[in-house]
Amino acid sequence: DVKVTQSSRYLVKRTGEKVFLECVQDMDHENMFWYRQDPGLGLRLIYFSYDVKMKEKGDIPEGYSVSREKKERFSLILESASTNQTSMYLCATRTSSGANVLTFGAGSRLTVL
Amino acid sequence: AQSVTQLDSQVPVFEEAPVELRCNYSSSVSVYLFWYVQYPNQGLQLLLKYLSGSTLVKGINGFEAEFNKSQTSFHLRKPSVHISDTAEYFCAVSVNTGFQKLVFGTGTRLLVSP
Repeated sequence: DVKVTQSSRYLVKRTGEKVFLECVQDMDHENMFWYRQDPGLGLRLIYFSYDVKMKEKGDIPEGYSVSREKKERFSLILESASTNQTSMYLCATRTSSGANVLTFGAGSRLTVL
Repeated sequence: AQSVTQLDSQVPVFEEAPVELRCNYSSSVSVYLFWYVQYPNQGLQLLLKYLSGSTLVKGINGFEAEFNKSQTSFHLRKPSVHISDTAEYFCAVSVNTGFQKLVFGTGTRLLVSP
């Protein structure tokens, strides 16, 4: 089975801090995604990457950036964290072929004070 | 663009009772449809998917869903729920061509009590 690992399960940061959320997969999946999950809003796509060094904006990219230097690693960066970025962040992967089935990590819960 | 509506934010049900979680979608082109489940403190996992063919789809843990194109619905059902089915359930849709970006509904929390 594909494993998607989000190394930080819980983080507490202060307003204005730079935050890195890391996601690592152990299969050769081309596509990787970052979602944020908020009560009543479901999952919203922040950024995705369809290959190394390639990235595309999702539906809510403002205040975020991403990095994909290696195929297995996709990082989400909050350049200057704000309280409205307090949320659960979910990383997901999928192959570029076949049906649109995502494999998710366990999530990173970020609190910005 | 595609969209998904899950009208019920929370569904309380007693153990061993049947349950239906509703999902309606909007799209001008053919779609793939999915149900994902999220247990407490975990990520999402795939419950079942509709890609083509039979409109009745069976998934894990005894769940099934029926694709109804005329009503643009993909409701999730289980004839008899267990306490362990308590979780949040997300319906999702994507087009069946191109990059296939997945769009999620807002989720339905299923609360099973004894």
